[in-house]
Amino acid sequence: LAKTTQPISMDSYEGQEVNITCSHNNIATNDYITWYQQFPSQGPRFIIQGYKTKVTNEVASLFIPADRKSSTLSLPRVSLSDTAVYYCLVGVPERGGYQKVTFGTGTKLQVIP
Amino acid sequence: DADVTQTPRNRITKTGKRIMLECSQTKGHDRMYWYRQDPGLGLRLIYYSFDVKDINKGEISDGYSVSRQAQAKFSLSLESAIPNQTALYFCATSGTQGGNQPQHFGDGTRLSIL
Repeated sequence: LAKTTQPISMDSYEGQEVNITCSHNNIATNDYITWYQQFPSQGPRFIIQGYKTKVTNEVASLFIPADRKSSTLSLPRVSLSDTAVYYCLVGVPERGGYQKVTFGTGTKLQVIP
Repeated sequence: DADVTQTPRNRITKTGKRIMLECSQTKGHDRMYWYRQDPGLGLRLIYYSFDVKDINKGEISDGYSVSRQAQAKFSLSLESAIPNQTALYFCATSGTQGGNQPQHFGDGTRLSIL
C-alpha cells in the first residue's frame, strides 16, 4: 500500500491561498490521488481526485508532478469555513473498492481571521 | 453526506454489552464500508462489503462483526464491547459506475464504552 506523509497542521489567514503537500514516494503506476476534507463531527467529504498534471474543480486544484511522488492540494482564498482536516489518499478504487486505499492522519488546517 | 445515514449518532454503554450500529444509504451503491477513527490515527477499515453476499475483513476486524441485510443496509456489531472500542465510527459507500467514484461517508456514530 502506498503510504502518504502530510504535515500534521497548518495555519493560514483568511483570504490567502493554502497549499498542502502530500508525499507518496512508493505510489504505484495505476494509483490515483484523492483528497478529502473532514469537519468536526462529520464524515470525510470528497474534494478532488487526479492521476497526473493538474486537476481543478470549483473547490480546489490538485497539482501532481511528472514523477507523481508528491501532490499538492491548493485551496484558493480560504475562509474560516475551510478550517478542517485534509486527507491525502493514494490507491486504485476503481479496481476493487477502497479497501486498499489508506487514510493517513491528515493535515489540520486552521484558518485565522 | 445525507444520503448515508448512521444510527445512533451517539451511544454510551457498558463493558460487555452487545451493540449494533446501523448504516443505510440511498445512493444505490453496491460497496459499503465500516471505519473507526481514533485521535491521531486517521480512519482504519473494519469491514467492507461489495454486495449483499460479499463480506470482507478489513485492517482491524477483531471484536467486530457485520451484516449486510440489503443493498442499502450495512450494520456493525460489537458482540461484547470493551473500553478500547471507544471511538468514532463511520460508514461509507462507493459506486462502481464509470471511473474512480469517490467514497461517501455518513456523519458518524460516537461510541463510548465505560
